[in-house]
Amino acid sequence: GQSLEQPSEVTAVEGAIVQINCTYQTSGFYGLSWYQQHDGGAPTFLSYNALDGLEETGRFSSFLSRSDSYGYLLLQELQMKDSASYFCAVNGGATNKLIFGTGTLLAVQP
Amino acid sequence: SQTIHQWPATLVQPVGSPLSLECTVEGTSNPNLYWYRQAAGRGLQLLFYSVGIGQISSEVPQNLSASRPQDRQFILSSKKLLLSDSGFYLCAWLPAGFTLGELFFGEGSRLTVL
Repeated sequence: GQSLEQPSEVTAVEGAIVQINCTYQTSGFYGLSWYQQHDGGAPTFLSYNALDGLEETGRFSSFLSRSDSYGYLLLQELQMKDSASYFCAVNGGATNKLIFGTGTLLAVQP
Repeated sequence: SQTIHQWPATLVQPVGSPLSLECTVEGTSNPNLYWYRQAAGRGLQLLFYSVGIGQISSEVPQNLSASRPQDRQFILSSKKLLLSDSGFYLCAWLPAGFTLGELFFGEGSRLTVL
């Protein structure tokens, strides 16, 4: 089977740093993606890691360790607008079939 | 530019009624197309994906079906809706031949079955 595990909820304050972890078990692996979804909206792409290491895009960074089947999303200088659900997703094959985790609800407090 | 459109945005249907959700992509050819469903407060469940016209792969057995009558058109249907079909339905696309993790999602269709 295929499964991705994330914490269900995380709370942090404005200006802080938060890390959202994701562990996965899939039959195939091409890469790990992260998506942000605000309440009522569609998911939007944040980052993609195909190789081990850290990818940085502005305030957001994403890390992958293929040997540990583990990745994380790091959000720095948190802002109120970062309050949303964050999903990790695994690309398991050539058809680019993305399997999503259950999501982490991030609440940023003043 | 490449865009994706999905409709209707919202619908309320009685149990046992039929369903048709439509998704079209503009500005690209031969994309991979996907239908996902999201129950309230839950993750995204992959329902169907298609790598070409008439080619449909089903991920989860259920009373839903999908069709791709044209290259950039993807339709989700049901003959008789169940209460459990309520949810947020999302169409997504990816350029053919790419092995990246960036899917482009439509605005979504929120279905309530009563």
